[in-house]
Amino acid sequence: DVKVTQSSRYLVKRTGEKVFLECVQDMDHENMFWYRQDPGLGLRLIYFSYDVKMKEKGDIPEGYSVSREKKERFSLILESASTNQTSMYLCASTEGRGETQYFGPGTRLLVL
Amino acid sequence: GQNIDQPTEMTATEGAIVQINCTYQTSGFNGLFWYQQHAGEAPTFLSYNVLDGLEEKGRFSSFLSRSKGYSYLLLKELQMKDSASYLCAVFYNQGGKLIFGQGTELSVKP
Repeated sequence: DVKVTQSSRYLVKRTGEKVFLECVQDMDHENMFWYRQDPGLGLRLIYFSYDVKMKEKGDIPEGYSVSREKKERFSLILESASTNQTSMYLCASTEGRGETQYFGPGTRLLVL
Repeated sequence: GQNIDQPTEMTATEGAIVQINCTYQTSGFNGLFWYQQHAGEAPTFLSYNVLDGLEEKGRFSSFLSRSKGYSYLLLKELQMKDSASYLCAVFYNQGGKLIFGQGTELSVKP
């Protein structure tokens, strides 16, 4: 079974703080993704990575950056958290492009 | 754009059948997924269609018509635990990304 884990289920941060969200998958998947999910807007892609040290912008990359130093780990960074980044953040991985996405449990981030 | 359209919410009765529709833009289409997401949890994979026709998996079936840009998820013998959001997602060749619809919130009532 594929297992995708995220560092925190719930996180509370203050405006202006730097925030790190970590995602780890244990199935040697090439591809990893970060989404945010908001009511009425669905899942929106922030960044994705098809290989180590490689990253591509998704649909809403502004205010975020990512890091993929190792194949199994994909980190999402909020350089200076803002209240409009309060959301549910979901990490996913796939073995190949266009294949089934396996999601982590999500991190519910509240920025005060 | 690559809009994925599905109804926002639906209500059905326990034991009944419900069909959740999804329409999408056909250009660059390379596969369609359905996911189930219970409140506060991550989406989990239900089905994948890349060719026309019906894929059956127990109480759940998914249908695809590529020429019409149309899919549906059919849930039979509804159970209370089927109350969840159902997400339609399309993989497009351009950009290599999976585009999600907003999800259909299904409420199953006794």
